[in-house]
Amino acid sequence: KQEVTQIPAALSVPEGENLVLNCSFTDSAIYNLQWFRQDPGKGLTSLLLIQSSQREQTSGRLNASLDKSSGRSTLYIAASQPGDSATYLCAVRDDKIIFGKGTRLHILP
Amino acid sequence: NAGVTQTPKFQVLKTGQSMTLQCAQDMNHNSMYWYRQDPGMGLRLIYYSASEGTTDKGEVPNGYNVSRLNKREFSLRLESAAPSQTSVYFCASSALDRGHGNEKLFFGSGTQLSVL
Repeated sequence: KQEVTQIPAALSVPEGENLVLNCSFTDSAIYNLQWFRQDPGKGLTSLLLIQSSQREQTSGRLNASLDKSSGRSTLYIAASQPGDSATYLCAVRDDKIIFGKGTRLHILP
Repeated sequence: NAGVTQTPKFQVLKTGQSMTLQCAQDMNHNSMYWYRQDPGMGLRLIYYSASEGTTDKGEVPNGYNVSRLNKREFSLRLESAAPSQTSVYFCASSALDRGHGNEKLFFGSGTQLSVL
């Protein structure tokens, strides 16, 4: 049974810092891994998708990496801004899509 | 292009009442999902449908039933609502290119359900 874990559950950092969010999964037989952002009371927005054959994807200040053999992914956010405050969720795809519980990020102005 | 449409957006039920949450997508996606989201719990998969005519249980299927009516529509039914089913429910759809792992997951805007 696939399990997805995100550490830490919550994180507060001063504006301008670079930060890393972690995601681990138990079964490496995945098609892809996705990172999502969710603002309070809203739905989910896809940020980055890494296919199983890829090692990383970049979009603006975001960089996501994937190490299938170790069952880990990281989301790197450069030069954090207060607008980055949200909950970030990772999800892995095998026959279905399973989410982690998310990391609640707060950027301090 | 509407994407994934969920109805209703809000619902209040009394314990024991039944209701159906509706979901429709207009992107010709094969896969559809129902999730519930509770504070501090992330999204938990209730049921999913990999293709028209098939449905499978997810992590938390008890108390729910689903119907994949056609390729567009995937409904979630609560036969006898319980307070533990108070949650925000999300429907999602995707089209997976298995050969390349390419996929984009689209979410509906959610249904906030309260069971008193």
